[in-house]
Amino acid sequence: DTEVTQTPKHLVMGMTNKKSLKCEQHMGHRAMYWYKQKAKKPPELMFVYSYEKLSINESVPSRFSPECPNSSLLNLHLHALQPEDSALYLCASSQQGPLNYGYTFGSGTRLTVV
Amino acid sequence: AQKVTQAQTEISVVEKEDVTLDCVYETRDTTYYLFWYKQPPSGELVFLIRRNSFDEQNEISGRYSWNFQKSTSSFNFTITASQVVDSAVYFCALNRAGGTSYGKLTFGQGTILTVHP
Repeated sequence: DTEVTQTPKHLVMGMTNKKSLKCEQHMGHRAMYWYKQKAKKPPELMFVYSYEKLSINESVPSRFSPECPNSSLLNLHLHALQPEDSALYLCASSQQGPLNYGYTFGSGTRLTVV
Repeated sequence: AQKVTQAQTEISVVEKEDVTLDCVYETRDTTYYLFWYKQPPSGELVFLIRRNSFDEQNEISGRYSWNFQKSTSSFNFTITASQVVDSAVYFCALNRAGGTSYGKLTFGQGTILTVHP
């Protein structure tokens, strides 16, 4: 299995809703990432988990709450989002250090906040 | 600080033409990795290549080839005999190696390639 699977593929939520994005990989990668991508822009790093521990938070607002329940799963909990948070949310995984032959990305969740 | 510049915002070619996507990077690290990713309309970032800063050999994979020149801090990508399926956004990216090498990927702004039949 060489894939990163993200669900749902599309999500529309109101500003008072609580929702979660899910990411799963079974490649044995021990680093997992959340990226946010606005239209016609490159992906921007949000969070990095290494061995199920949060290692990088790129000053992301607290309305985004990541969680890594185990080495295969990564969640992003969303609460009280703003319309400007509408974007493509990409999950990625990789091996650590010199074994990092590349980052494998999922196909993303297209989030619309209304 | 690291920076990746893709000066070409959009490129339009006719099928079977060769096309080169430029990438210039800045870093103070002596060891780093360079990447190219393809993003079709479906949204997924598809890994194309990773190059170690110590390996300046050019690489060819089918219709794709990459020219890494450390002296000019460039890592250009050429598609030979382009096809409509090559239409996508292409991102060049940079990552430091060693230490927290699993950390941040610095992306260029991307080049939108459109191949017309």
